[in-house]
Amino acid sequence: DTAVSQTPKYLVTQMGNDKSIKCEQNLGHDTMYWYKQDSKKFLKIMFSYNNKELIINETVPNRFSPKSPDKAHLNLHINSLELGDSAVYFCASSQVPIVGGQETQYFGPGTRLLVL
Amino acid sequence: AQKVTQAQTEISVVEKEDVTLDCVYETRDTTYYLFWYKQPPSGELVFLIRRNSFDEQNEISGRYSWNFQKSTSSFNFTITASQVVDSAVYFCALSESYTGNQFYFGTGTSLTVIP
Repeated sequence: DTAVSQTPKYLVTQMGNDKSIKCEQNLGHDTMYWYKQDSKKFLKIMFSYNNKELIINETVPNRFSPKSPDKAHLNLHINSLELGDSAVYFCASSQVPIVGGQETQYFGPGTRLLVL
Repeated sequence: AQKVTQAQTEISVVEKEDVTLDCVYETRDTTYYLFWYKQPPSGELVFLIRRNSFDEQNEISGRYSWNFQKSTSSFNFTITASQVVDSAVYFCALSESYTGNQFYFGTGTSLTVIP
């Protein structure tokens, strides 16, 4: 069983479209995250939710909106996609916020988004 | 200014050699958190370690060890007796808050272990 899964694995879309990336974890964790890795491999944390509440909201365009319907899911919605949004997006989870706890953080396989 | 500096962009070592990956951070906070992550060629991300600023004790996990020195603002990562499977990009990161806001990644060090 995959601990943290993301769908889709690849996403190719046109500029201006709206798309969503889904993330699910079956580890019973309370905290979930979204990270972005650009074409130069630079990593950046985007959002983190703990018990469905937003605890990290780094400076990202408001076209990006996370939605957590329950503790096991943290989906990423992106409106009006731009060329610069092309990247790999990683979802992750941990039992408690990774900063404050001793728990391990688990990552999904990543979603490769290409905006044309 | 870079909050986290990984000056070594690429390193190549021969299998069984020891290798140290450097990480220098910058913060004015007295409480902060440091991390290392691994990204193998397959692309997934692997969490390796978290260390808070009050715990300067060095950590050892198998062939991996971490040397945290506040005096030099460094959190270096050493792999002993490197193996081909250690080939990956390694990222160091810093968080200046308990919630994880102000979370900064270094640019990564690409390690190649040659058989």
